[in-house]
Amino acid sequence: AQSVTQLDSQVPVFEEAPVELRCNYSSSVSVYLFWYVQYPNQGLQLLLKYLSGSTLVKGINGFEAEFNKSQTSFHLRKPSVHISDTAEYFCAVSAGGFKTIFGAGTRLFVKA
Amino acid sequence: EADIYQTPRYLVIGTGKKITLECSQTMGHDKMYWYQQDPGMELHLIHYSYGVNSTEKGDLSSESTVSRIRTEHFPLTLESARPSHTSQYLCASRGSYLETNEKLFFGSGTQLSVL
Repeated sequence: AQSVTQLDSQVPVFEEAPVELRCNYSSSVSVYLFWYVQYPNQGLQLLLKYLSGSTLVKGINGFEAEFNKSQTSFHLRKPSVHISDTAEYFCAVSAGGFKTIFGAGTRLFVKA
Repeated sequence: EADIYQTPRYLVIGTGKKITLECSQTMGHDKMYWYQQDPGMELHLIHYSYGVNSTEKGDLSSESTVSRIRTEHFPLTLESARPSHTSQYLCASRGSYLETNEKLFFGSGTQLSVL
């Protein structure tokens, strides 16, 4: 079975500052890793994913994440955030079966 | 981009009522899912389907039921709603690995409030 832990429930940050949202996972098998974003009153949409290959993956809106197998982490980063990045971010894991397991989410607040 | 639709968007009902939350997708995806989302909590998988006439219960026990008579339609029903059912319900779909690379497509959700 897989599980996902998002280490921060809320992250406040000033506009144009860098941000890192942390995610750790556990699994006994190889996994696919994802970050989804949920803007207010909307469904989730895929930000980026790691399936194989390069451990640094780039997503939409300037976000990137690095897969670290030894630390079982998949932290999300952005070098300079905007007000419009205010949203909830979900880390997720799939073992290639039918199920995707989600973390509890991290609410990112970007302040002017 | 998403072609997956949920209705209603918001629903406020009284205890004991029967309700059906609708979910439809136009992408021809075989796999469909219902997740329950509470503030500050993980999205919990409550039902999923591999295809027509296939439904399975998810990791979180739920009193709701689902059906999959057509590929594009995956409704969720509560026979007798209770206040404990108050939550956000998210529907999602996914194609084959070749089609979607494990990506889930989500609807906008139904916020259910049972009084």
